[in-house]
Amino acid sequence: DSGVTQTPKHLITATGQRVTLRCSPRSGDLSVYWYQQSLDQGLQFLIQYYNGEERAKGNILERFSAQQFPDLHSELNLSSLELGDSALYFCASSVVHGTSGDNEQFFGPGTRLTVL
Amino acid sequence: KNEVEQSPQNLTAQEGEFITINCSYSVGISALHWLQQHPGGGIVSLFMLSSGKKKHGRLIATINIQEKHSSLHITASHPRDSAVYICAVKGADGLTFGKGTHLIIQP
Repeated sequence: DSGVTQTPKHLITATGQRVTLRCSPRSGDLSVYWYQQSLDQGLQFLIQYYNGEERAKGNILERFSAQQFPDLHSELNLSSLELGDSALYFCASSVVHGTSGDNEQFFGPGTRLTVL
Repeated sequence: KNEVEQSPQNLTAQEGEFITINCSYSVGISALHWLQQHPGGGIVSLFMLSSGKKKHGRLIATINIQEKHSSLHITASHPRDSAVYICAVKGADGLTFGKGTHLIIQP
């Protein structure tokens, strides 16, 4: 158990809909990272927040957004969903403020999103 | 954009064998990560290295910055090592992942 929690575990929705994925980092970790893992693209870095502020952006679509709240939990919002958005979405956390890849990260169990 | 290539894509071995998984990348990096993804989907960070060699239990990771290459070794492999092993590199444009190596260790 990494100490990072994600909810929900599974999510099934329809095209055009909007969903919110939630992540709670390990106690004391200030950085949260979001990743997407799809069958054709593999793992991709989406976005990082550090102590409430956006720190780095990767291959995140404009239809997607994220935020980190004062209690350090983070939410990833996916809107106007398309079939191709079906994937595993992972959140990870680390204690320090380096950008994605600078520090060891602890991964949550993931949310499996299925868009029908 | 950094290109990350892993080999082999799939590997089946017998329990006890010495395993090597390779990772090559195209552009200079500041750090390289090895991750393990279990059949259930969970991801565990195994190593983060920027030079030399690291060891943790039966796992050893090495990196050669000049050759842009890293290897992950598993000694005395065990069926519980069966997983997907993913290499990820930290470059100027963030973290780039390899496609993974699917390892099966048979008893």
